Amino acid sequence: DGGITQSPKYLFRKEGQNVTLSCEQNLNHDAMYWYRQDPGQGLRLIYYSQIVNDFQKGDIAEGYSVSREKKESFPLTVTSAQKNPTAFYLCASSMTAASGNTIYFGEGSWLTVV
Amino acid sequence: AQSVTQLDSQVPVFEEAPVELRCNYSSSVSVYLFWYVQYPNQGLQLLLKYLSGSTLVESINGFEAEFNKSQTSFHLRKPSVHISDTAEYFCAVSSLNTGFQKLVFGTGTRLLVSP
Repeated sequence: DGGITQSPKYLFRKEGQNVTLSCEQNLNHDAMYWYRQDPGQGLRLIYYSQIVNDFQKGDIAEGYSVSREKKESFPLTVTSAQKNPTAFYLCASSMTAASGNTIYFGEGSWLTVV
Repeated sequence: AQSVTQLDSQVPVFEEAPVELRCNYSSSVSVYLFWYVQYPNQGLQLLLKYLSGSTLVESINGFEAEFNKSQTSFHLRKPSVHISDTAEYFCAVSSLNTGFQKLVFGTGTRLLVSP
């Protein structure tokens, strides 16, 4: 079945460590996105990529990094510079990045700093 | 820049009763409008969207939303809810004028349906 796969579902990180969240899609979509969800704050855009080998910062990119070496993959690294990383992270994709396209979401990954 | 306001953080309702989840937006340009649903511990699923044409849009599971440009609203309604509709609902907008699909989300409304 086509879709977006995020892994791991749950991840615990010690302070000072970098962690990488995986996102793979088999929808043949050009555009991919990372959102962060905190209770009561809705979703905020971290990074987005309109095409392979290209990505742009979203509204809250500080402390995060991404890569887009393959069309189907868009991993997110949460670095030690991210002050408050505990959150629910959602990867998404759309056929193109043009406005109006439906954005499809993965199941999400919970990151907890211990 | 766009913004979305969902005034109700939580809406409790009894099964088979009607419900309305409110969404107002602010934008200096024309927008596309979306409603997404999120079940516990899952990602978001598109419920319905307004791009152009008829201002009343419907989903396959009985929800509908009406775009009201003068009131800058896109309220979500269902005439009779089921227990299975319990979820969080997010309203979102994106600008027509940008080359990039940046969705701006509201803070969500939790719909709680009880028997």
